[in-house]
Amino acid sequence: GQNIDQPTEMTATEGAIVQINCTYQTSGFNGLFWYQQHAGEAPTFLSYNVLDGLEEKGRFSSFLSRSKGYSYLLLKELQMKDSASYLCAVYWAGNNRKLIWGLGTSLAVNP
Amino acid sequence: DAGITQSPRHKVTETGTPVTLRCHQTENHRYMYWYRQDPGHGLRLIHYSYGVKDTDKGEVSDGYSVSRSKTEDFLLTLESATSSQTSVYFCAISESPGVGADTQYFGPGTRLTVL
Repeated sequence: GQNIDQPTEMTATEGAIVQINCTYQTSGFNGLFWYQQHAGEAPTFLSYNVLDGLEEKGRFSSFLSRSKGYSYLLLKELQMKDSASYLCAVYWAGNNRKLIWGLGTSLAVNP
Repeated sequence: DAGITQSPRHKVTETGTPVTLRCHQTENHRYMYWYRQDPGHGLRLIHYSYGVKDTDKGEVSDGYSVSRSKTEDFLLTLESATSSQTSVYFCAISESPGVGADTQYFGPGTRLTVL
């Protein structure tokens, strides 16, 4: 199946760095998204990776290894407002533009 | 942020009644999607549209129908609401007609409770 695995929960301290992992089935892979979702709100786009490597965007970076079926989202200089759920979503070729979503990782940032 | 609105934002209804949720966009994006989000299941696609009057089913389409008579509006109808359809419903839009993935942008959501 087209499974996506993410840790359910993580905790971290304000000012620290946290890495949220996402693993997926490699066959037919066609791109991976990370979204942030605060409680009671809509998901908002963070990053998109289709080629191997690291994409940096301010305090947030996203890494992809297509051969390993692995991605991570790196959050630096954590702030309290980064407490949210982080969703990994994947396109597979032939899926006709349908994203498959992971269950999300709930991140709690403590003072 | 993409201009996407959903109405109503909250609704309580009774089992067996029909319910229609509306998604309206001002971005002129071609693709529109309806998702539901439930604890333990994540986001699941109900239906999507790839143009006016062009729609297709997602993974959880039973009990739902959609219509798109204008580029800017995508309606989701629960023909006869059941308690299992209590959920948060999100509309999303995306633009690119090209190959590969393109970013989806989400509306604020509708919280539906079926009693």
